[in-house]
Formats: sequence, C-alpha cells, structure tokens
Amino acid sequence: EVQLVESGGGLVKPGGSLRLSCAASGFTFSSYSMNWVRQAPGKGLEWVSSISSSSSYIYYADSVKGRFTISRDNAKNSLYLQMNSLRAEDTAVYYCARDSSGYLGVVDYWGQGTLVTVSS
Amino acid sequence: DIQMTQSPSSLSASVGDRVTITCQASQDISNYLNWYQQKPGKAPKLLIYDASNLETGVPSRFSGSGSGTDFTFTISSLQPEDIATYYCQQYDNPLLTFGGGTKVEIK
Repeated sequence: EVQLVESGGGLVKPGGSLRLSCAASGFTFSSYSMNWVRQAPGKGLEWVSSISSSSSYIYYADSVKGRFTISRDNAKNSLYLQMNSLRAEDTAVYYCARDSSGYLGVVDYWGQGTLVTVSS
Repeated sequence: DIQMTQSPSSLSASVGDRVTITCQASQDISNYLNWYQQKPGKAPKLLIYDASNLETGVPSRFSGSGSGTDFTFTISSLQPEDIATYYCQQYDNPLLTFGGGTKVEIK
C-alpha cells in the first residue's frame, strides 16, 4: 500500500524557516517524481514544487521561488521541503504527493498533509 | 503560467441529478487535464486524467471530456457521497496549476 507521511509542520514567525519531510513507503520511491502542494485555510489547491525521480528536474511556483527548496533522498525514501523567509501567506496545509508512473503532473497519491502556520 | 478558470464555484443539486462543471485553460493544453475530488478534511483524490480517462476504481458515473482550452466534468447521477469540492488541474506545463474549485452540495 502506498503511504506518504508528512511531518515538520508547526507555528513559525514571519521570516523564519521550517523543513518539511515526507516519508514514502509501499512503492519504489526512486522511480517516481514527487510534488508538494499546499492549501491555505478555506482556499483551493496550489502547486508548490516538483522534483523528478533522480532530482535532475526541479520546478517551483513563482510564489515560492528563491525561498523554498525541494530535495529528496532516494536511499531514505524521503522527500523534503526547506522553507525560508516564511510569510503569513505561506500558512497552509502542505501535502506530499506522488506523480503517476509515466504521467508527470498526474498526482495519484497524496499524504494526509502537515499544517504550517506563519504568525507572530 | 497557464491559468485555469473553473465554473461554477459552487452548485446545489438533488440526488440523481446530472452535474456539470467546466474548466477553461488560458492557452491550449491539449488533453493534459486532470480532475480531483476533495472531501472536507481529506486529501484530494484523482478521478480523471488525460481529460477523459477514469482512474482505476472510480465509479463510472464520473466522466470528463474536452481538449485544447475547454473541458467538462460530469457526474451523471449525483450521489450523497459525491459531496465534495472538485478541482481541475493542467499538466501541459511543468508549473502545474489548479482551477479554483467547485463545491458540490445536495439540495
């Protein structure tokens, strides 16, 4: 069974940093591209970042480019999101999500999400 | 970036009704369009990919159509368990974008 378990969320002050982690299991992690998608309270879904299976290709939404860094450790079956210079508008549930095999951008599995709150 | 415009933003229908949601892309995205269902407090679930392909295990009352810039998502006979918010999402461009969502309620 595919499982994606996020951790690392919490309360942080504006300008602060946080590192999210996602532990993957139930599939060959090193063969899949992965994504972070967020959802502000009561709002819609917003794609944040994607990373290819071997980390060769990395993409960011304009809203986080230069502040967030996505990475992965295939030996540890883990995905990460380093978030710096956090702003109030970064407050959201952050989902770790897997791309379907052979379909980059088709997200077929999602974690349960971790809440990040940016507030003084 | 490619903008995705979804309508309506909410709708109310009776059990058994046919429900239709539209999604318009700001440029031609061929058939690189997905539809997701999100129930309150839950993660989204993939329903349809490539504009019209039903994900494994998804009931056949859900369907999708369209190509280019205009797409349609249909629930042929609304069921109580279909109460959720539905999102379209393009993947023609690696900078993925979602529509604003359509909240479906029971009348």
